[in-house]
Amino acid sequence: AQTVTQSQPEMSVQEAETVTLSCTYDTSESDYYLFWYKQPPSRQMILVIRQEAYKQQNATENRFSVNFQKAAKSFSLKISDSQLGDAAMYFCAYRPRGGAQKLVFGQGTRLTINP
Amino acid sequence: DTGVSQNPRHKITKRGQNVTFRCDPISEHNRLYWYRQTLGQGPEFLTYFQNEAQLEKSRLLSDRFSAERPKGSFSTLEIQRTEQGDSAMYLCASSLPQGPTEAFFGQGTRLTVV
Repeated sequence: AQTVTQSQPEMSVQEAETVTLSCTYDTSESDYYLFWYKQPPSRQMILVIRQEAYKQQNATENRFSVNFQKAAKSFSLKISDSQLGDAAMYFCAYRPRGGAQKLVFGQGTRLTINP
Repeated sequence: DTGVSQNPRHKITKRGQNVTFRCDPISEHNRLYWYRQTLGQGPEFLTYFQNEAQLEKSRLLSDRFSAERPKGSFSTLEIQRTEQGDSAMYLCASSLPQGPTEAFFGQGTRLTVV
């Protein structure tokens, strides 16, 4: 069974600084997708960034970028120029390419932005 | 609003009562998922529909839980004889069938069993 592990329950960063959230996963599949989702307090979960496993190039979305290390099964999220609106729970998630394509989530990292 | 809609947002019920939640997915999405999220944890998969067919159920989904998606549109999740351990956020998500498309989530229904 696939598993996703986020080893940092909480992280904090000064506004405008850079922070990296860690994620490791375990799977025997070779083709899959990885996601980072953001869940603000009392609000719905939204997608931050996605990575397709067969792509070697790391995904970027504006201030958000990932470091995808397939051999190490590592998928970290870097947030540059942190903003107060970035404060939320961040979940790393794995999804196989086939089948039900259900998401397997990590435990989450609570990110606090200090003004 | 064309996003995923869930109702009610909050539900408080007494132990032993039955509750039903509703999810309205994005209209062109034929895949619909239910997840359960307990405090401080990531969501866990419960069940999945493709159109009206329920194709997979987690072993977390005991026989007190039932989900339906008549006509492949909205879905309901019913919990019978609720227990305190059922207290959680129940999330619904929908997606298109293929490719790296993201799952869009609703705001969830928070269930408190007292």
